[in-house]
Amino acid sequence: AQTVTQSQPEMSVQEAETVTLSCTYDTSESDYYLFWYKQPPSRQMILVIRQEAYKQQNATENRFSVNFQKAAKSFSLKISDSQLGDAAMYFCAYWYKSVGGKLIFGQGTELSVKP
Amino acid sequence: GAVVSQHPSWVICKSGTSVKIECRSLDFQATTMFWYRQFPKQSLMLMATSNEGSKATYEQGVEKDKFLINHASLTLSTLTVTSAHPEDSSFYICSALNLLASSTDTQYFGPGTRLTVL
Repeated sequence: AQTVTQSQPEMSVQEAETVTLSCTYDTSESDYYLFWYKQPPSRQMILVIRQEAYKQQNATENRFSVNFQKAAKSFSLKISDSQLGDAAMYFCAYWYKSVGGKLIFGQGTELSVKP
Repeated sequence: GAVVSQHPSWVICKSGTSVKIECRSLDFQATTMFWYRQFPKQSLMLMATSNEGSKATYEQGVEKDKFLINHASLTLSTLTVTSAHPEDSSFYICSALNLLASSTDTQYFGPGTRLTVL
């Protein structure tokens, strides 16, 4: 069975600094997708970034980038130039089509940003 | 991006009553919708998957008779919590996906519904 593990329950970063959130997963599939979702205090889930497993190039969205290591089954999120608005719960998630679109979430990492 | 709405955003009900939560995809057709439950500081727990026009598939441990799910159209799914009890108090989130679209990998989430059962 596929699993997603986020080993950092809480992380803290100084405003304008860089922080990396870790995520590992377990799967026997070769074609899948990985996501990072942000859940601010409003609790609305917001897609931060997505990575297709067949693409070797790491995804980037403005200040957010990932380090995708397929062989190691690792998918970390790097937030550069952290802003106060980045404070939120961050969930790593795994998806592949043959399970009917189910997302498998990690436990989450609560990120706080210090001014 | 695609928009998913939920209604109501917050509901308080008495123990023993039923509550219906609606999930709508506003600008796309959702072949599949998912219902999650989330406790404070915890991850999302998938309750069930609903496909338009067919019965929902429930995750292990989720009571089918307590959490009734209907997906009658490509834009609407409903979750009814029947005979609600205080332990059903939680945050319920839906998400939607179009498995027939060319880009089918991204789920879009509703804003959630906070249910409080007194």
